[in-house]
Amino acid sequence: KQEVTQIPAALSVPEGENLVLNCSFTDSAIYNLQWFRQDPGKGLTSLLLIQSSQREQTSGRLNASLDKSSGRSTLYIAASQPGDSATYLCAVRLYNQGGKLIFGQGTELSVKP
Amino acid sequence: GAVVSQHPSWVICKSGTSVKIECRSLDFQATTMFWYRQFPKQSLMLMATSNEGSKATYEQGVEKDKFLINHASLTLSTLTVTSAHPEDSSFYICSVLGPGNEQFFGPGTRLTVL
Repeated sequence: KQEVTQIPAALSVPEGENLVLNCSFTDSAIYNLQWFRQDPGKGLTSLLLIQSSQREQTSGRLNASLDKSSGRSTLYIAASQPGDSATYLCAVRLYNQGGKLIFGQGTELSVKP
Repeated sequence: GAVVSQHPSWVICKSGTSVKIECRSLDFQATTMFWYRQFPKQSLMLMATSNEGSKATYEQGVEKDKFLINHASLTLSTLTVTSAHPEDSSFYICSVLGPGNEQFFGPGTRLTVL
């Protein structure tokens, strides 16, 4: 059974810091991996999608890496801003079981001005 | 990507009534859509997967007679919570499987059952 774990559960940093969020998964047979952001009371915003054949993706100040063999992904946020404060969710899409997304519990990020 | 809308954004109803939530894919013809629920401070729980024109596939433990899903077109899926009770109060989010197998989510619907 695929399990996705995110560490840390919560993180508070001062504005301007670079930070790394971690995601690990137990089964490397994944189709792809997505990082999402969720603001309180809102839906999810897709940040980055990494296909299983890719090692990393970048969008602006965000960079996500994928190491399938070790079952790990990291989301790197450069020069953090208060507007980055949100919960960040990692999710893997399985090859089987109808291709459903399996979510981690999320990392709640707070960037202090 | 795909833009997904939900209606209503919030609803309050009395116990025993039925509530319908609409999910629309505004710029992408979605063969596959998903319904999730989320309790406070918890991650998303997949309720069901719906494919256009066929019956939804429900996750274990989700009552299909209570949570009716209809995916009659490539742009619209509906979730009806029948005979709602306070324990059904939750945040319901729909999602679309878009280009490149990237998943896009709606803004969510907050259901409160009194």
